[in-house]
Amino acid sequence: DGGITQSPKYLFRKEGQNVTLSCEQNLNHDAMYWYRQDPGQGLRLIYYSQIVNDFQKGDIAEGYSVSREKKESFPLTVTSAQKNPTAFYLCASSMKGRTEAFFGQGTRLTVV
Amino acid sequence: DQQVKQNSPSLSVQEGRISILNCDYTNSMFDYFLWYKKYPAEGPTFLISISSIKDKNEDGRFTVFLNKSAKHLSLHIVPSQPGDSAVYFCAASRTNNNDMRFGAGTRLTVKP
Repeated sequence: DGGITQSPKYLFRKEGQNVTLSCEQNLNHDAMYWYRQDPGQGLRLIYYSQIVNDFQKGDIAEGYSVSREKKESFPLTVTSAQKNPTAFYLCASSMKGRTEAFFGQGTRLTVV
Repeated sequence: DQQVKQNSPSLSVQEGRISILNCDYTNSMFDYFLWYKKYPAEGPTFLISISSIKDKNEDGRFTVFLNKSAKHLSLHIVPSQPGDSAVYFCAASRTNNNDMRFGAGTRLTVKP
């Protein structure tokens, strides 16, 4: 099946630890995105990438890092510098120049 | 600074009636607008979009209207069905730049 896969669905980490969220797509999409959703709020853009080996900061990139070494993969690392990392993280992909995006099922990260 | 705003956090309508969801944006560089539908603990799914060269786009029961001078768009659902109950997100982007921004969402409840 073609789609976008995020893993794991639930993730628990201790405060001060870095954690990497996985996002893989087999849709042959050039563009990939990471968003964060907090309760009662919309989706806020963390990072996006329009092409392999290139990515841009979104509105809330501080405390996060990404890489885009392969077209199908766009992992997000939540570093210890992120002040409030507990949230629902959504990865998406779309064709280059288009924003009709396909979203993954999300990863709920809880930092204790 | 929130570039896309949905000022109504919730909307309740009767089955068979029209649902109207509203969205405002501040960035005049946005020229492509989208609506996504989201169920709890899932990623959003694309619903309908409109380019700034149009003022209306229709797809079955869903119609999006764009008023560029007012920087306002709306989603009309006619007739509304209980299965339409979800959170609806408005999004905006610039053509050929995949930096899609989302509003905070409106929770639509369609009562039987």
